[in-house]
Amino acid sequence: GEDVEQSLFLSVREGDSSVINCTYTDSSSTYLYWYKQEPGAGLQLLTYIFSNMDMKQDQRLTVLLNKKDKHLSLRIADTQTGDSAIYFCAEGHTGRRALTFGSGTRLQVQP
Amino acid sequence: EAGVAQSPRYKIIEKRQSVAFWCNPISGHATLYWYQQILGQGPKLLIQFQNNGVVDDSQLPKDRFSAERLKGVDSTLKIQPAKLEDSAVYLCASSSAGGQGRGYTFGSGTRLTVV
Repeated sequence: GEDVEQSLFLSVREGDSSVINCTYTDSSSTYLYWYKQEPGAGLQLLTYIFSNMDMKQDQRLTVLLNKKDKHLSLRIADTQTGDSAIYFCAEGHTGRRALTFGSGTRLQVQP
Repeated sequence: EAGVAQSPRYKIIEKRQSVAFWCNPISGHATLYWYQQILGQGPKLLIQFQNNGVVDDSQLPKDRFSAERLKGVDSTLKIQPAKLEDSAVYLCASSSAGGQGRGYTFGSGTRLTVV
């Protein structure tokens, strides 16, 4: 079955770049997502990338996709304390609309 | 555009009691999902509806969980009887016919605590 894995924790200093990594097993995934979850809140879609793309940039966010290695990363430039949250990687298919999520990476930004 | 509405926001019940959660998706979204998010884990799909029909309920513990989506709009998820391991956040999401990319929207969830 499908599996999505992420590291559990990342700590960075304010102003530095953060890189959150994710690996997935399903080679037929067509969409890959990054969601942000703050304490007590729902899931906020940050960005997504189609599987035929290598990179997507959206303001401070850069997503890199290595389809051969099934590796996805999210880079946050100039990380701020407001970026402290749990970040979830998820994968989906055109034919199967439900998403498969990783367990989340907790990002802690130190002032 | 209004988001996905869920209620209640929080619920505390004793084990063996029953509980129901409600979800109102974004207007016009044909597909509705219920996910369970246990503390420290990512959300896991419980059930997916397309209009008022079930598309995938393979991960739904059918001996205690039930869900319906009458008239293809609102949905309710019920647990009866609840167990301690059902403590989790129950997230509802909806998507348009395209179903991917920005078509997904999650509600804020219902946090269930079973004591």
